[in-house]
Amino acid sequence: AQSVAQPEDQVNVAEGNPLTVKCTYSVSGNPYLFWYVQYPNRGLQFLLKYITGDNLVKGSYGFEAEFNKSQTSFHLKKPSALVSDSALYFCAWGNYGQNFVFGPGTRLSVLP
Amino acid sequence: DTEVTQTPKHLVMGMTNKKSLKCEQHMGHRAMYWYKQKAKKPPELMFVYSYEKLSINESVPSRFSPECPNSSLLNLHLHALQPEDSALYLCASSQDLNGFSYNEQFFGPGTRLTVL
Repeated sequence: AQSVAQPEDQVNVAEGNPLTVKCTYSVSGNPYLFWYVQYPNRGLQFLLKYITGDNLVKGSYGFEAEFNKSQTSFHLKKPSALVSDSALYFCAWGNYGQNFVFGPGTRLSVLP
Repeated sequence: DTEVTQTPKHLVMGMTNKKSLKCEQHMGHRAMYWYKQKAKKPPELMFVYSYEKLSINESVPSRFSPECPNSSLLNLHLHALQPEDSALYLCASSQDLNGFSYNEQFFGPGTRLTVL
């Protein structure tokens, strides 16, 4: 089945350290991939997307993600984590003309 | 204005009530969406409107009835809901459905619905 997976339910990182939130995909055709963040009791906010071109995508709030076709991954990264980055992160996949599917989510906790 | 607004923020209703959720955007987007999100779960797509016409219905029960009166407004009419329908209901919009797969969606803050 075509899907996106987030292998970690929870990621803990110390403030100031680099963070990585993992996403892998299993889709056919062009993998349009997205990262969204959800703060408590809020809607989702778009961070970045990969459509085509440069494998390193830069997004909002200092986040970036690297598309790796050989490893079918699209991991979200940030060089230096902030406590305010603590939130629920969703990887998502756009299936052209069909639907838009979110991964299960990863809860990021940045510890002061 | 890059904001999607939703009203009300919270709604408590009985199983025999009729209520409506409202969503509004003024970004000129021509695709609008309803999602349902249970606690600590990803959003699940319910409906997609494109140019005010229903384009996708993800086999949602008929007790949920969407409506798109114009290009800026999206409603979700609720009737005879069940307790398991309690969830956060999110509205979103994007430029248009041609880019459904690759245009980012802008989400509202959601309506927290509790069905008693």
